[in-house]
Formats: sequence, C-alpha cells, structure tokens
Amino acid sequence: ETGVTQTPRHLVMGMTNKKSLKCEQHLGHNAMYWYKQSAKKPLELMFVYNFKEQTENNSVPSRFSPECPNSSHLFLHLHTLQPEDSALYLCASSHPGQGSYEQYFGPGTRLTVT
Amino acid sequence: EDKVVQSPLSLVVHEGDTVTLNCSYEVTNFRSLLWYKQEKKAPTFLFMLTSSGIEKKSGRLSSILDKKELFSILNITATQTGDSAIYLCAVGGNYGGSQGNLIFGKGTKLSVKP
Repeated sequence: ETGVTQTPRHLVMGMTNKKSLKCEQHLGHNAMYWYKQSAKKPLELMFVYNFKEQTENNSVPSRFSPECPNSSHLFLHLHTLQPEDSALYLCASSHPGQGSYEQYFGPGTRLTVT
Repeated sequence: EDKVVQSPLSLVVHEGDTVTLNCSYEVTNFRSLLWYKQEKKAPTFLFMLTSSGIEKKSGRLSSILDKKELFSILNITATQTGDSAIYLCAVGGNYGGSQGNLIFGKGTKLSVKP
C-alpha cells in the first residue's frame, strides 16, 4: 500500500466518547501533520511531528491528544469533544529535510460529534 | 500575522472557459508557494513555486509566482467538468521552528458547468 492512509474514514461520536484517529504513511517521510478542515475556513494546522518529536502545537484544546510512536504512524486521540469539533481531519506527511515543502495528504476522517 | 488570501472564493464557469485563480500572501521566512486541488477528500499536489517569473505547466494548468508583489496565479485553460474542485494555495516556510509547515488560504471553489 502506498501514500498516506487514514482510518476510519467516517466517525460519529457522542460528546462523552473516547475514540482515536489513525494515520499511516508509506513514503519514508520524517514529518507528519494533523489538520482540521471546517466549512468555509482554511485548513488549520493542529500538530506537527518531526522524527517522532512534536515540534508544534497550535493552541489545540487538550481534548485532542496526538501520539506519534514512530515516523510512519500518527494518532489523534479524542475525548469529551464538542459539536463544533465536527470537521474533516486530514493527516499529511512530508520530508522537509530535503528542502521539499510538498505535503502528501491522506483521504481524511469525517468526524461528526453529536 | 502571516496569512494567505485567495480570490475569488467561488467561481462558476462553462466548459471551455479559461479561469485565473489568485493567491496573495504576507508571510515571514517565505520559501515556497504550493497549489493543491481538493475534489472530495485529500488535497492533491499540483505545483510548487519557489522562483519568481518561472511558469510551471502541467497540461492545461499553469502557475507563476511573483515574489516582489507577493502573489501567484493558477491558470486553467479549456476547462472541463473534471476541473470542478476546491483549489488551495499554501505557503511553505520555516514557521514555529519547524521547517516544512504550510499556511493555507481558504481555497477557491471552482464549478465547471457542461
């Protein structure tokens, strides 16, 4: 399997649930990203990991908790979410160390919080 | 504050028309400007521009960057219904101590009617 994969593709959860989003990249990249895409808003960068180390946290609420066990896998743990957290969550990867800023995106997880 | 502004936000044309999408930016540590096409879920990479005045071309799509005036345009000639999508502009640089981060515009939603 090639590229960036994300599971699940769709998720409906209640505000008291705990769930996790998974992202996996098969491109040999060393940087991985979580983005949130809401209607009529730009893609919002949430977290950045370089070589498994978190290098950026864009003031994301603590109900979103990332985990990067290795350079190929990235998780986003969700708990006690709010309805306004409903959005498309995109994972991406890149290899910035080679001077390339091109990010490859996964298909996203459509999250609905009820 | 770093920002990327795209215009128009939406555009409706007929097949065969030529369209020009605009992207202006105000960022520090600019390194590259990227265009993506987002049809359903995952944004797919179109172009990366780093030098002024050098046109990048792929089929009916072309793009150019003006680093003096801080903008880029994406041209699509002889549009087809398959060109209907959201076109995202992003600027890459060294933000927050992390190379490779991208700042995205809101996107231009292009609809091509038969």
